[in-house]
Amino acid sequence: DARVTQTPRHKVTEMGQEVTMRCQPILGHNTVFWYRQTMMQGLELLAYFRNRAPLDDSGMPKDRFSAEMPDATLATLKIQPSEPRDSAVYFCATSDSRTGELFFGEGSRLTVL
Amino acid sequence: EDQVTQSPEALRLQEGESSSLNCSYTVSGLRGLFWYRQDPGKGPEFLFTLYSAGEEKEKERLKATLTKKESFLHITAPKPEDSATYLCAVRSGSDYKLSFGAGTTVTVRA
Repeated sequence: DARVTQTPRHKVTEMGQEVTMRCQPILGHNTVFWYRQTMMQGLELLAYFRNRAPLDDSGMPKDRFSAEMPDATLATLKIQPSEPRDSAVYFCATSDSRTGELFFGEGSRLTVL
Repeated sequence: EDQVTQSPEALRLQEGESSSLNCSYTVSGLRGLFWYRQDPGKGPEFLFTLYSAGEEKEKERLKATLTKKESFLHITAPKPEDSATYLCAVRSGSDYKLSFGAGTTVTVRA
């Protein structure tokens, strides 16, 4: 059963700490997206990669967020330093770009105190 | 910039009471309109893709339709297990990303 795997599922941390979220794409999917979901803003695109190259990170606060894809099986989203306003659910989604259908992971729920 | 507006924000239905959800969009060069279902604590789950006006797709009690300005998700004779948030998204131009609406939360009472 092919699926997107995200870790951790839940993270509680204190303001100022570094947070790293990880995503394992579906095998064969060459486009990886990071979305953030909050009650107020809904689903917002932070960044995405195609064939491991960053295509768009305009939705991401550059001073504290960074996204990388060190290899085809791993995408990471890092926040340093974290702030309470970063509290949200972070979703990784992947697609094979032919159909455009995105397949989402279960999300990483982040709480910054 | 792509804009996607969903209405209503919330919908409460009695079991068996059919209804429709609306997704209005403004894009430059639509390359696909997508419907997703999201259950609490879960990631969005893909339902349908529509590519051109007049296209329709069905899955169980759900039917999605598309015009040049909006899409409808019709729920026929809903059951409590259809309770979820339904999200609409668009893909446009040469982009790969999806832009999402805020969603409609559907609650079906037995």
